[in-house]
Amino acid sequence: NAGVTQTPKFQVLKTGQSMTLQCAQDMNHNSMYWYRQDPGMGLRLIYYSASEGTTDKGEVPNGYNVSRLNKREFSLRLESAAPSQTSVYFCASGRLAGDEQFFGPGTRLTVL
Amino acid sequence: TQLLEQSPQFLSIQEGENLTVYCNSSSVFSSLQWYRQEPGEGPVLLVTVVTGGEVKKLKRLTFQFGDARKDSSLHITAAQPGDTGLYLCAGDPDSWGKLQFGAGTQVVVTP
Repeated sequence: NAGVTQTPKFQVLKTGQSMTLQCAQDMNHNSMYWYRQDPGMGLRLIYYSASEGTTDKGEVPNGYNVSRLNKREFSLRLESAAPSQTSVYFCASGRLAGDEQFFGPGTRLTVL
Repeated sequence: TQLLEQSPQFLSIQEGENLTVYCNSSSVFSSLQWYRQEPGEGPVLLVTVVTGGEVKKLKRLTFQFGDARKDSSLHITAAQPGDTGLYLCAGDPDSWGKLQFGAGTQVVVTP
């Protein structure tokens, strides 16, 4: 089992460009999450999906959109990237909301 | 403002020494989770504590959940270089399935 996979691993964007971060899990988990991690601030929840077909905002949703494509896949889209979105992005999944979360390896995004 | 405050922010010790990391909040949690994150990787769960006053041991790591379920600590005995990493505590204050993470404690153990 691959667990949680994320693509790409690294990305550099110019201000105003758009991109989609992809996440997939093969553990048949119901819940999936997107976090960003910035120095000194821990992990902050951007969006989450408690089950297939549902999504909800987390602590820092502005500037992002998500799609729960099916039970396995949960994508994060930046429509118009800004330098403040430079961060490391982690996708995670869990059997049920509130359960242990399994994290992907992260995507390091730089917006110039 | 962090709901979960971790201290210290950074800890550098020699191999063989002991260390304690704290996670404090003014909110009550039904449970708290501890994760360890190594450079370039995602966090990995170490333990979940669910009962006030609970103590859990994982080899040289001892986790304690406060009686009031507002705080937790992680104690490492005889630290080894392999214990180096960012230690994060996390909890779901509203039981809505949304974890909130502390800012983390960076632990460096040198040989």
